[in-house]
Amino acid sequence: AQKVTQAQTEISVVEKEDVTLDCVYETRDTTYYLFWYKQPPSGELVFLIRRNSFDEQNEISGRYSWNFQKSTSSFNFTITASQVVDSAVYFCALSEDTGGFKTIFGAGTRLFVKA
Amino acid sequence: DTGVSQDPRHKITKRGQNVTFRCDPISEHNRLYWYRQTLGQGPEFLTYFQNEAQLEKSRLLSDRFSAERPKGSFSTLEIQRTEQGDSAMYLCASSLIGVGPNYGYTFGSGTRLTVV
Repeated sequence: AQKVTQAQTEISVVEKEDVTLDCVYETRDTTYYLFWYKQPPSGELVFLIRRNSFDEQNEISGRYSWNFQKSTSSFNFTITASQVVDSAVYFCALSEDTGGFKTIFGAGTRLFVKA
Repeated sequence: DTGVSQDPRHKITKRGQNVTFRCDPISEHNRLYWYRQTLGQGPEFLTYFQNEAQLEKSRLLSDRFSAERPKGSFSTLEIQRTEQGDSAMYLCASSLIGVGPNYGYTFGSGTRLTVV
């Protein structure tokens, strides 16, 4: 069975600090897909990144970076030099389907960035 | 394209009433999904369509829930005989099928249902 665990319920940092959001997943499939979504206070979920199990290359996009490690079943998300606008709930998610159907979401990590 | 649209944004209904929500996906997307999100939780999968075919339904989707996607365009989610436990945010998302790093869901703003 699939499972996504985000052990950090809430994190609070001061602006410009770096912060890492942890994600641990479980799946029996050898091919699977991992995602991160952001849900700002406005409520609409926003897709951030997708990683395929056969591609362990880490990804950097501006201040965001993702560290995928199959050996530890983790897909962690780091925000460098955090900003107040980064305050949101972040969800890690897992799918065993190419199209991402039946994606399983973690419970989310609420990030507060204080000015 | 303006993204995924959901209507209404909020719905308050009395227990036992029927409600229907509408979702208009991104027109180029061939998959449409319904999820439900309760406070403090991540979204939970309900059902999905590929074009007009409903291909999978979660066990969360009781007989009181039905979804349609006529002609593979917009979709409706109907809840009959609503119960207080149905109170949640109902999210619609659409996507293309692909393996690239940019293939993810585009979510709508959701319909918040309150059953009183």
